[in-house]
Amino acid sequence: GQQVMQIPQYQHVQEGEDFTTYCNSSTTLSNIQWYKQRPGGHPVFLIQLVKSGEVKKQKRLTFQFGEAKKNSSLHITATQTTDVGTYFCAGDRSTNAGKSTFGDGTTLTVKP
Amino acid sequence: DAGITQSPRHKVTETGTPVTLRCHQTENHRYMYWYRQDPGHGLRLIHYSYGVKDTDKGEVSDGYSVSRSKTEDFLLTLESATSSQTSVYFCAISSGATNEKLFFGSGTQLSVL
Repeated sequence: GQQVMQIPQYQHVQEGEDFTTYCNSSTTLSNIQWYKQRPGGHPVFLIQLVKSGEVKKQKRLTFQFGEAKKNSSLHITATQTTDVGTYFCAGDRSTNAGKSTFGDGTTLTVKP
Repeated sequence: DAGITQSPRHKVTETGTPVTLRCHQTENHRYMYWYRQDPGHGLRLIHYSYGVKDTDKGEVSDGYSVSRSKTEDFLLTLESATSSQTSVYFCAISSGATNEKLFFGSGTQLSVL
């Protein structure tokens, strides 16, 4: 079946450092979404990427979708303590609409 | 936050007992989903619904059943709970067929002893 691998599993950074998490799919995706889950909370939608090579920015967050639509990344510039949480990617296959596969997530901790 | 309510928020039960979790939405969204989340794992799809009385299995459906008799309610039943079903269960909704913009409920922590 479809697999979505996400690395790293954990990332500890000093406040102000940058952070990147990577998502890789074994199959071509029709779109990819990113979610953030604060400790003890529920996942919250951040963004969706659809086009090959697409880059979107949300303030300090930059999201990329690979040219082959098999990988994606989330980069946070100058992390803040409010960025702590687990970041998940979720890939939707072209032939499997409605059943996105989630990566295992990257848990980010930020030391003040 | 989207109008999604999960009940109960916490549940402790014994092995072998049936358990039903409820998801209620006020958004009139067509698609509803049940996921489970375990430490070190992402969210794994149990079952989903694409309309009233229309449901399909996800990747971890064994031991679970669902029902959707009304647009607003999606029930998840553990027919005979096992300790391996101890998990956090999230309900999610979306309006589109491509699963974009999933909105999640606050989750149900289920412990099976």
